[in-house]
Amino acid sequence: ETGVTQSPTHLIKTRGQQVTLRCSSQSGHNTVSWYQQALGQGPQFIFQYYREEENGRGNFPPRFSGLQFPNYSSELNVNALLLGDSALYLCASSPGPGKSSDEQFFGPGTRLTVL
Amino acid sequence: GESVGLHLPTLSVQEGDNSIINCAYSNSASDYFIWYKQESGKGPQFIIDIRSNMDKRQGQRVTVLLNKTVKHLSLQIAATQPGDSAVYFCAENLGDSWGKLQFGAGTQVVVTP
Repeated sequence: ETGVTQSPTHLIKTRGQQVTLRCSSQSGHNTVSWYQQALGQGPQFIFQYYREEENGRGNFPPRFSGLQFPNYSSELNVNALLLGDSALYLCASSPGPGKSSDEQFFGPGTRLTVL
Repeated sequence: GESVGLHLPTLSVQEGDNSIINCAYSNSASDYFIWYKQESGKGPQFIIDIRSNMDKRQGQRVTVLLNKTVKHLSLQIAATQPGDSAVYFCAENLGDSWGKLQFGAGTQVVVTP
């Protein structure tokens, strides 16, 4: 198992609501990336945080926002939820944005269902 | 990226045989590629990576081949075991900072006894 944890494990929301997902990075890691994985598809990059600043963003609307805290844990916030936001949300931590992927570890994900 | 909806391509392999999983990537400027394994209920797990200045790299029971001419990547698993049953994704690095990855659609590998 990796040292990356995510909470909650599962979540059910209704359209229009807001949700906050949490990720605790592995000890010593200062970079967190978030991904959305729809059922039967590969993960899609949402954004990356490095030392509390956004360090790149994928093709997601502004209602997807994030934070990184001084201890390098991170939150993903999604406003005005749509049915299409139902997915597994993954975070991955790494010791720096310039490190190889063998040093990046994924958490188990949060399964979000929007009704 | 590509979408195959709810039905992933499936590779059925007999235990002990070799597996070959293929992936086409889209960006000719990509310089770093990774293979991941994802088991049910878990996040993707790093298997092996390769940089664009190489065409082959070997790990423990796995080999990755890169053909930049046709933008094709493959993963070979030797002596496939039941524990290899999972979904396998190729990914390419986006931009100038690692950790921002574009994943392919995935291949479901089913190992039969």
